Amino acid sequence: AQKITQTQPGMFVQEKEAVTLDCTYDTSDPSYGLFWYKQPSSGEMIFLIYQGSYDQQNATEGRYSLNFQKARKSANLVISASQLGDSAMYFCAMREYSGGYQKVTFGTGTKLQVIP
Amino acid sequence: KAGVTQTPRYLIKTRGQQVTLSCSPISGHRSVSWYQQTPGQGLQFLFEYFSETQRNKGNFPGRFSGRQFSNSRSEMNVSTLELGDSALYLCASSLGDREGVTDTQYFGPGTRLTVL
Repeated sequence: AQKITQTQPGMFVQEKEAVTLDCTYDTSDPSYGLFWYKQPSSGEMIFLIYQGSYDQQNATEGRYSLNFQKARKSANLVISASQLGDSAMYFCAMREYSGGYQKVTFGTGTKLQVIP
Repeated sequence: KAGVTQTPRYLIKTRGQQVTLSCSPISGHRSVSWYQQTPGQGLQFLFEYFSETQRNKGNFPGRFSGRQFSNSRSEMNVSTLELGDSALYLCASSLGDREGVTDTQYFGPGTRLTVL
């Protein structure tokens, strides 16, 4: 089974609108961390937001928020007021500590295109 | 604080040659991880170094190796290059808290390797 699943290969959003990028995960560890990264066409992965499995509240960072539904094992990224510069690939990732090792797993990504 | 730097940014090699890529982490970060990104396979974990020791390893052949120096800088080496090694190689640094799932990875701009 995939550890991280991003079911939307590509998405379009109108400028200034909000958009939700989906991410579901699979783990049996009670302690884990969830991350979202943005990768523009230049290639660099930019850290956006983090959510811990024990965090009671959804994480927010400026226009980014994470809709964390632990029972459903989902960690969707919400971008409010989309801007043209938001056009990029977005990756969801999970960090687990299991069996004495840390492991970071990335999803396959969602390509977001913001339309003027 | 300076970010993660990678050199060189672009490389062109021919089959059979070897290549060395370099990564300088954020000051104070002791963990360096390497990833290979290709359109077909996505983002794949190569290995992680912490305090000059390989702490974690992905599923790559022995042609891929790495090391870390006392100043936390890391190098990755690929010997006997194959066409399929053409990829974006990303380096990520983090504090390296062994059991901490909050440990956030920050990525460099990547090295784009083309094998002819």
